[in-house]
Amino acid sequence: GENVEQHPSTLSVQEGDSAVIKCTYSDSASNYFPWYKQELGKRPQLIIDIRSNVGEKKDQRIAVTLNKTAKHFSLHITETQPEDSAVYFCAAIVPGTYKYIFGTGTRLKVLA
Amino acid sequence: GAVVSQHPSRVICKSGTSVKIECRSLDFQATTMFWYRQFPKQSLMLMATSNEGSKATYEQGVEKDKFLINHASLTLSTLTVTSAHPEDSSFYICSASDGLAGDTQYFGPGTRLTVL
Repeated sequence: GENVEQHPSTLSVQEGDSAVIKCTYSDSASNYFPWYKQELGKRPQLIIDIRSNVGEKKDQRIAVTLNKTAKHFSLHITETQPEDSAVYFCAAIVPGTYKYIFGTGTRLKVLA
Repeated sequence: GAVVSQHPSRVICKSGTSVKIECRSLDFQATTMFWYRQFPKQSLMLMATSNEGSKATYEQGVEKDKFLINHASLTLSTLTVTSAHPEDSSFYICSASDGLAGDTQYFGPGTRLTVL
């Protein structure tokens, strides 16, 4: 079945620097990859997603890239701000279903 | 749009009692709803998938007789934790998809269950 690995588990960056979080998936038929941001005790919030028919998607300071051949996708946050501090989860959809398999999460700390 | 609510937000119960958690899609019809459990500092683990009017599909290792799921309408799914024990204490989160942009799941705010 689908398996998603996420690295790093923790990431500290200075305010204004960029942050990159990487995920790999196992099922080459997976075609949808969302990223969620979760603050402590709150619900996961969708921040960006990408489908397998595109290689990159950008929304202001956030971008996601997808390499289908290598089966990995990455989240890029530029010009980080303290409010970007949270746990970020990648996910991959299980082919033929609407189910997600989540990565293990990355705790991002943006240092002011 | 795409708002999902969950009730209650927190519940404390005694061991052996049952607890019901409601998940509602407020501004869309949810063809599919999902229930997750999240332990502290861990990822979201899918427990089950429910479709309106049919039996839920449980993930491997999740006891269907302990975690009863009912999806009676296109806007409401309930999770009942039966005969709760301290090890059931966790953060339970539901999500819903509308079947239009069918892939996207919208999450509820979660329910913190503490079993004494």
